[in-house]
Amino acid sequence: DAKTTQPPSMDCAEGRAANLPCNHSTISGNEYVYWYRQIHSQGPQYIIHGLKNNETNEMASLIITEDRKSSTLILPHATLRDTAVYYCIVRGLNTNAGKSTFGDGTTLTVKP
Amino acid sequence: SQTIHQWPATLVQPVGSPLSLECTVEGTSNPNLYWYRQAAGRGLQLLFYSVGIGQISSEVPQNLSASRPQDRQFILSSKKLLLSDSGFYLCAWSLWAGDPRAFFGQGTRLTVV
Repeated sequence: DAKTTQPPSMDCAEGRAANLPCNHSTISGNEYVYWYRQIHSQGPQYIIHGLKNNETNEMASLIITEDRKSSTLILPHATLRDTAVYYCIVRGLNTNAGKSTFGDGTTLTVKP
Repeated sequence: SQTIHQWPATLVQPVGSPLSLECTVEGTSNPNLYWYRQAAGRGLQLLFYSVGIGQISSEVPQNLSASRPQDRQFILSSKKLLLSDSGFYLCAWSLWAGDPRAFFGQGTRLTVV
């Protein structure tokens, strides 16, 4: 799996958009970008994934740069419940979905 | 719908005692199953994964073992716990193919004293 780099922490005001960056400069052509989050003392939760096109679901949007070397997870209207550690993971689609390398992630704190 | 159960939620065990953590999945068949450990403030480390009954792969050498006696049951064990075994243990499952998501249980916080 390609290595990812994320800032250790970020703050965001409640109701504003939270933009979480991830660098994955060694990503290969068949590897996807996945995002999970982990609320304190709970198991991680899948958020979204993408290959090269921007993706959006009910939780978030994923913007992947044209060269695919970086991406941004966007929470459009952050709430206090979005405070969590966010993990950016890169791996092939056909590899075992649970065999992911979770780094230290970004701790997002949403403030009132 | 699929659910994953992991218990107990917290556990305090003395050094040298045995360990057995259980994880079960409902609502799916032939899932891939995983055990992860998380040290305080750190990311997740994959310990074991299983693609079928009796099939266990170990990712890191350690004091722990895993077993899969039934299709949707995954057990993490130790004969003698060490202080370094303390941590947050997470069970997860995924489908064989087609669905790229992994689904995690709520975790067991183990403290070895």
